[in-house]
Amino acid sequence: EDKVVQSPLSLVVHEGDTVTLNCSYEVTNFRSLLWYKQEKKAPTFLFMLTSSGIEKKSGRLSSILDKKELSSILNITATQTGDSAIYLCAVGGGSNYKLTFGKGTLLTVNP
Amino acid sequence: GAVVSQHPSWVICKSGTSVKIECRSLDFQATTMFWYRQFPKQSLMLMATSNEGSKATYEQGVEKDKFLINHASLTLSTLTVTSAHPEDSSFYICSARDSPSLKLFFGSGTQLSVL
Repeated sequence: EDKVVQSPLSLVVHEGDTVTLNCSYEVTNFRSLLWYKQEKKAPTFLFMLTSSGIEKKSGRLSSILDKKELSSILNITATQTGDSAIYLCAVGGGSNYKLTFGKGTLLTVNP
Repeated sequence: GAVVSQHPSWVICKSGTSVKIECRSLDFQATTMFWYRQFPKQSLMLMATSNEGSKATYEQGVEKDKFLINHASLTLSTLTVTSAHPEDSSFYICSARDSPSLKLFFGSGTQLSVL
């Protein structure tokens, strides 16, 4: 059975701090790893990673995949209160490319 | 990014009634859509994979006769919760895959409350 594990499950930081969120996986026929941010309703897409070692960056957020270690990290620098959300890691695999989600990391950024 | 519309956002119904939730991809064609369920403070749990023009594939433990999925066109999938009971109360989210990029885009979700 496919498995995605995120850590930590929750994290509280102050504005301006840098955070690193972790995601490890065991998936049959890995195809890609995706990061989503979920605030109140549906998740919004952040990154999709397919190749190992290539960093993807968007503003203060960046992510990288390590296929050898079967893991990925999501970095957020200079955090702001608006970054408070649940960050979900999902891994796509198999013939129908279904996504398996981790439990998420609840990030709280205090002013 | 691509837009996926889900309707309704909220529904409250009596026990025993059926509820239909619609999921539409607005600016792309989605041969595959996925239906998830999410309980408070928990992650997304895949219920079923909906393929256009064919029967849905349900995950283990999901009753296909209770959660009817229809994917009649490349832009529309529906989930019908039949004979809903209070334990079916949950947040249901659909997603559609943009085939060329394989990215999944999510609808805004439906909060179902069964009284």
